[in-house]
Amino acid sequence: EDQVTQSPEALRLQEGESSSLNCSYTVSGLRGLFWYRQDPGKGPEFLFTLYSAGEEKEKERLKATLTKKESFLHITAPKPEDSATYLCAVLMNTGFQKLVFGTGTRLLVSP
Amino acid sequence: DTEVTQTPKHLVMGMTNKKSLKCEQHMGHRAMYWYKQKAKKPPELMFVYSYEKLSINESVPSRFSPECPNSSLLNLHLHALQPEDSALYLCASSTPGGGTEAFFGQGTRLTVV
Repeated sequence: EDQVTQSPEALRLQEGESSSLNCSYTVSGLRGLFWYRQDPGKGPEFLFTLYSAGEEKEKERLKATLTKKESFLHITAPKPEDSATYLCAVLMNTGFQKLVFGTGTRLLVSP
Repeated sequence: DTEVTQTPKHLVMGMTNKKSLKCEQHMGHRAMYWYKQKAKKPPELMFVYSYEKLSINESVPSRFSPECPNSSLLNLHLHALQPEDSALYLCASSTPGGGTEAFFGQGTRLTVV
């Protein structure tokens, strides 16, 4: 069965304390892996798309990497405004655009 | 412009009411989606429209009726909902079948009383 698992479920960091979030997947025919940020009561905000193992993308304090079984979202020197839920999603090879989301990591960055 | 606009932002409806959620995008995307998100859970796919035709229906109850009148608009008609249908309803759009990212609206917070 296709599965997407994120860890940890919740993470509390001090401002400036770097860390990584994990997204593990077991899907057949991965067509893409996406990272989103979601603030409470809002829609997911697109961050990155990764298509193949070894690929890396960066944006400000965030860096996303992809292997054949998992993806990492590295957060360098986070700030309080980085507090949010981070969701990864995989695009299934169904011929249609079907995203399956992981359960997310709730990140809290304290000043 | 990567904006998907959803209206209304909040909706409270009784179990006998009929209401509609609306979604609009002007990015030229030809795939549009409805997702449902319960508190502290990830979004779950409900429907996919590709080139204005329904491509995926994830076994959603018939009290939810989607409609795609044109390439920019997506509606979700609601009728005889149950309290457990209360959730954040998200609309998204993307290029169809191309494996590209989907852009989400800010959602409609629906409460069924």
